[in-house]
Amino acid sequence: EDQVTQSPEALRLQEGESSSLNCSYTVSGLRGLFWYRQDPGKGPEFLFTLYSAGEEKEKERLKATLTKKESFLHITAPKPEDSATYLCAVQAQTDSWGKLQFGAGTQVVVTP
Amino acid sequence: DTEVTQTPKHLVMGMTNKKSLKCEQHMGHRAMYWYKQKAKKPPELMFVYSYEKLSINESVPSRFSPECPNSSLLNLHLHALQPEDSALYLCASSQHPGQPVPHTGELFFGEGSRLTVL
Repeated sequence: EDQVTQSPEALRLQEGESSSLNCSYTVSGLRGLFWYRQDPGKGPEFLFTLYSAGEEKEKERLKATLTKKESFLHITAPKPEDSATYLCAVQAQTDSWGKLQFGAGTQVVVTP
Repeated sequence: DTEVTQTPKHLVMGMTNKKSLKCEQHMGHRAMYWYKQKAKKPPELMFVYSYEKLSINESVPSRFSPECPNSSLLNLHLHALQPEDSALYLCASSQHPGQPVPHTGELFFGEGSRLTVL
């Protein structure tokens, strides 16, 4: 069965203090790995798609990387507005419907 | 601003009520989804519609009844719910580049409907 494990569960950062979030996955063939950001009481917001090991994507202070077993979301010099829960999800190679297996998320709090 | 609109934002209902959640998207996406999310938990897939046809039902109890009247609209009809059904219900949509390429996992979510069952 597909599994996605995110660590840490929560992360508290000072503004400007860079850090990384981890997403470990087990899937029978990876079609894609996705990162989402979710603010409290809102729906998730799509950030990145990664398809193969070695791939990297960047957006502002966020950079996502992918290996054969895990993905990292690096937050460089975070600002308070980067506070959110970051969700990782995988789509199996056998899936045709956009069905995702989500991890439990990492809650990030960035303080001024 | 999200391009997937959900109404109502908040709903309180009794266990004997019948209500509906509505979702609309105008991005031309041909897959639409209902997810359920409990506090501090990840979203859980309930239903997938592809080209207005129900493609996936994740063994959801029959008190939840989805409907896709057209490619832009998705409804979730609620009847005889239980207090444990209280959650944030999220609608999402995704592109389909066309066969044989499958639906992408790049989902566009609405802001959700917060449901409380008394």
